[in-house]
Amino acid sequence: DSGVTQTPKHLITATGQRVTLRCSPRSGDLSVYWYQQSLDQGLQFLIQYYNGEERAKGNILERFSAQQFPDLHSELNLSSLELGDSALYFCASSVQSNTEAFFGQGTRLTVV
Amino acid sequence: GIQVEQSPPDLILQEGANSTLRCNFSDSVNNLQWFHQNPWGQLINLFYIPSGTKQNGRLSATTVATERYSLLYISSSQTTDSGVYFCAVRNNYGQNFVFGPGTRLSVLP
Repeated sequence: DSGVTQTPKHLITATGQRVTLRCSPRSGDLSVYWYQQSLDQGLQFLIQYYNGEERAKGNILERFSAQQFPDLHSELNLSSLELGDSALYFCASSVQSNTEAFFGQGTRLTVV
Repeated sequence: GIQVEQSPPDLILQEGANSTLRCNFSDSVNNLQWFHQNPWGQLINLFYIPSGTKQNGRLSATTVATERYSLLYISSSQTTDSGVYFCAVRNNYGQNFVFGPGTRLSVLP
């Protein structure tokens, strides 16, 4: 158990819908990262937050947004879902940006 | 941005064999980690190793930061070692991990 909790583990939804993925970082970790892994693809960085503020942005679509709350948990919102958004979404956390990062178990999103 | 390459892309071993996986990166890094993604999709931390050598049981890793590569050694492989091994790095300027494409390892009984 990495200490990073992601909910839900699985999510099936229809095209055009909106979903929210949740991540609780390890206790004491201030940085949260979101990654997308499509089928048989590598891990693509989406966005990073540090202590509530956005720190870095990757190839995150405009239909996607995220935030980190004062209690440090983070949510990734995906809207106007398309079939191609089906993927495994990972959250990771670390104390600082240059320290060891730990990944949650991921949320497997299926858009039908 | 920083580029990460891993080799080989695929590796098939008989149980009990040893293997070496390589990660090359294009810039100096302040963070390098090795992960194992098991067949269920879980990403498991293996090593946090921006430099030097570490060992954990049958696994060990070495990072030569000055030459911009890292090696992961797996000895006496077991079927449970199957999966994809990722190297991920962060350079001194970036805020996010950049993952390599992975090495897919299959250990046959």
